[in-house]
Amino acid sequence: GAGVSQSPSNKVTEKGKDVELRCDPISGHTALYWYRQSLGQGLEFLIYFQGNSAPDKSGLPSDRFSAERTGGSVSTLTIQRTQQEDSAVYLCASSLAGGGPINEQFFGPGTRLTVL
Amino acid sequence: GENVEQHPSTLSVQEGDSAVIKCTYSDSASNYFPWYKQELGKRPQLIIDIRSNVGEKKDQRIAVTLNKTAKHFSLHITETQPEDSAVYFCAASKGRRDTGNQFYFGTGTSLTVIP
Repeated sequence: GAGVSQSPSNKVTEKGKDVELRCDPISGHTALYWYRQSLGQGLEFLIYFQGNSAPDKSGLPSDRFSAERTGGSVSTLTIQRTQQEDSAVYLCASSLAGGGPINEQFFGPGTRLTVL
Repeated sequence: GENVEQHPSTLSVQEGDSAVIKCTYSDSASNYFPWYKQELGKRPQLIIDIRSNVGEKKDQRIAVTLNKTAKHFSLHITETQPEDSAVYFCAASKGRRDTGNQFYFGTGTSLTVIP
């Protein structure tokens, strides 16, 4: 079946602009995660969704970052007033469930964000 | 929060030799430890994982060991092949029902297998 998809694959924006990144998880996966991968760094956890609610937003780096999920499916990560340090690859992952027995997380291809 | 450290950052081995990557974690509540392989320009993919009630797990040429007391775990790749060249990430998760299974990743090891 279809895997996790993300759009756009690449986004170049000017400093100060807002951007929206989209994630389509695998159908039926109730848990959704956003991670950020900066050049030469590991993956940094941003936010976790179980259904449409976000029990853990602790990884969001500042109040310029927000995310929502609707219909228990598509999620959007919004970065307001982008800064150059926001440049990174933003990865989305989904799994069958968020709690209890741990399920494999399947990653999307990522969105490469470049802030000029 | 959880802090995962990974070493080495780069590793070069001759084809056929073994490769070992080591990770440590800080939170004793972590109970699930996956390893992901990321080829250049591709998404991370799970290659093996281990839960805290197991000390070792093997899948063909790859194996993972876990020492809960010392809070460290390692990835072992035997008989390395050029296609094993990639960046490998370890991760730790607490698997809590309330806050989810978010992964805390190490900074990655770039493995190069020299033919």
